[in-house]
Amino acid sequence: AQSVTQLGSHVSVSEGALVLLRCNYSSSVPPYLFWYVQYPNQGLQLLLKYTSAATLVKGINGFEAEFKKSETSFHLTKPSAHMRDAAEYFCAVRSGNQFYFGTGTSLTVIP
Amino acid sequence: DGGITQSPKYLFRKEGQNVTLSCEQNLNHDAMYWYRQDPGQGLRLIYYSQIVNDFQKGDIAEGYSVSREKKESFPLTVTSAQKNPTAFYLCASRDRQGANTGELFFGEGSRLTVL
Repeated sequence: AQSVTQLGSHVSVSEGALVLLRCNYSSSVPPYLFWYVQYPNQGLQLLLKYTSAATLVKGINGFEAEFKKSETSFHLTKPSAHMRDAAEYFCAVRSGNQFYFGTGTSLTVIP
Repeated sequence: DGGITQSPKYLFRKEGQNVTLSCEQNLNHDAMYWYRQDPGQGLRLIYYSQIVNDFQKGDIAEGYSVSREKKESFPLTVTSAQKNPTAFYLCASRDRQGANTGELFFGEGSRLTVL
């Protein structure tokens, strides 16, 4: 079975600082990878996805992620954090018809 | 607008009662999923369905049941056999065909509390 590991269940950054959320996956074949964001008591919204077209993927709200096969990583970054970025972030991998989610990283933005 | 509608948003249940959570989508997606979310545990798959009249158990199907009689609808019943049903439940769908294959689209969730 596939697995996704998100290092750091809680990350705090100052407003305007770099955001880096880490995601590593286990997969023996090229994966489909996703980052989702969740605000309190809401569903998940897709930030971006990797489907092998390009290793650097740009998403919504200024986020991007880089697929590194050698490191089996798909870390999410944003150059400058904004207060509205405070949320829960989930990395996921799709294998066939199933999706495997990490345990999430809660991002706090300090004014 | 197209999307996924879950209802109710909040639900309270007494122990021993069955409850059904509704999930309706107008995205014309073939595949639908139910996940359970608990703090610190991410999303865990309960059931999923790839086509009408067919569904498969996920990792934590015990104490839950589903049906898929229509493409648009995938209700989840939380039965009295589920020992710890208090959680946030998320329904999702996926387009298995066309250009946007891959990602899940989520509803807003239903929060079930057992009193």
